[in-house]
Amino acid sequence: DTGVSQDPRHKITKRGQNVTFRCDPISEHNRLYWYRQTLGQGPEFLTYFQNEAQLEKSRLLSDRFSAERPKGSFSTLEIQRTEQGDSAMYLCASSFAQPSSGNTIYFGEGSWLTVV
Amino acid sequence: DQQVKQNSPSLSVQEGRISILNCDYTNSMFDYFLWYKKYPAEGPTFLISISSIKDKNEDGRFTVFLNKSAKHLSLHIVPSQPGDSAVYFCAATANNNAGNMLTFGGGTRLMVKP
Repeated sequence: DTGVSQDPRHKITKRGQNVTFRCDPISEHNRLYWYRQTLGQGPEFLTYFQNEAQLEKSRLLSDRFSAERPKGSFSTLEIQRTEQGDSAMYLCASSFAQPSSGNTIYFGEGSWLTVV
Repeated sequence: DQQVKQNSPSLSVQEGRISILNCDYTNSMFDYFLWYKKYPAEGPTFLISISSIKDKNEDGRFTVFLNKSAKHLSLHIVPSQPGDSAVYFCAATANNNAGNMLTFGGGTRLMVKP
């Protein structure tokens, strides 16, 4: 499977706990994105990496959220002190270059987070 | 401010007929548009895209039309098949520094009845 891979697919955690999600992008893609999707809504942009550099962060990304891509390959998204409002699907995506004709963003299957 | 809107939350179509999904946007800087299809508990799957220099792009049963003056795009599926039943999202991006992110609409759930 050469698509975008995310782990774990599902996570149930108690409020206040920390969680970490991992994303492995398509191997030749140097751009990696994190999005969040809640029920009934479209995906919302969280942050973006080009290689190991984090170039954009949404205002949705509070200080409890941190994302890393240490070697420009896989990425992790950590949520500290989880709150019930963090319950969502966290989507990772990757692309070879800036979205345009011929350069599409491809999404992984997502990581479901439920905070109880 | 919702910059990309899909005003129909759901659409039901008979198998074999045409499905038309609509999307409106407000940001005139958007110059590249994409449609994604999403099944429950899965990530969005890329379907088709269109650049603002075109007004139509076709790929098999799927055609996307872009009306820049109206800031409107639509996805036509002909003929519709039961396997097309899913949630469809339109997304837009701009070819500038903010062009690294996609802005999505809220989605339209398509149900194709056999």
